[in-house]
Amino acid sequence: GENVEQHPSTLSVQEGDSAVIKCTYSDSASNYFPWYKQELGKRPQLIIDIRSNVGEKKDQRIAVTLNKTAKHFSLHITETQPEDSAVYFCAASCPPGFGNEKLTFGTGTRLTIIP
Amino acid sequence: EAGVTQSPTHLIKTRGQQATLRCSPISGHTSVYWYQQALGLGLQFLLWYDEGEERNRGNFPPRFSGRQFPNYSSELNVNALELEDSALYLCASSLDVYRDLIATNEKLFFGSGTQLSVL
Repeated sequence: GENVEQHPSTLSVQEGDSAVIKCTYSDSASNYFPWYKQELGKRPQLIIDIRSNVGEKKDQRIAVTLNKTAKHFSLHITETQPEDSAVYFCAASCPPGFGNEKLTFGTGTRLTIIP
Repeated sequence: EAGVTQSPTHLIKTRGQQATLRCSPISGHTSVYWYQQALGLGLQFLLWYDEGEERNRGNFPPRFSGRQFPNYSSELNVNALELEDSALYLCASSLDVYRDLIATNEKLFFGSGTQLSVL
C-alpha cells in the first residue's frame, strides 16, 4: 500500500519568513495530493490540493509543488503569520479503482510561528 | 450548510466494553471515511463506506467495524476495547468518487471527532 513520509516533524519560523514542509510517497499510481491544516483542538481542514497533471498550484500565500518523477511534493507558506501555527498533514491517494484510493496521511508537521 | 457532524464529542469507556461512534456526512455526500488519530501518530485510515457498502479497510483488527445507513450516516463500532484504542476518531465525507464517467478523487471534509478514552 501507499506510504507517505513527511518532514520535518516540527518547524519554527520567524513571523514573516517562509516555511516549507516536504513529503514523499511510495505508490507511483498516486495522483491526488491534498494538504490539511489542523489547529489545536479542531478538525483537519483542507487548505490546498494538487493533482498529478500539474506541477505547481498557488493560493495566496500557500503553494504546493509536485515532482512525480521523484515522488515528492511540498507545501510552501510565504510571509508567515501567527495564525499559520498549526499541525499540517500531507496526504496521497490513487485514482478510484486502483484499490488504494483512500487518503494516506503523513505523520504531520507542527509549525510554530514566532512573533 | 451543515458540515460533517459527529457524536458524541467525548466518550469514556473501560477495557472490554464496546463503543459506538456516529457520523452524519455533509448533505449530498455519499462517501464516509473513518480515521483514528492517536497522540503523535497522525491520521490512520480505518474504514471507507460508500452507498452502504464497505469499500476499503485499513490495517485494524476485526473488532473495529462499522456500517453506513440508507441516509449515508455511519456508525463505527469498537468491540472489546483496549487501552490503546484511546484516540480521537475522525469521520470525513466526500462526494461519490464514481459519480462521473471518469472516477476521480474527491475532497474530504472532516468532522470535529469523537475523543474516546479507555480506562
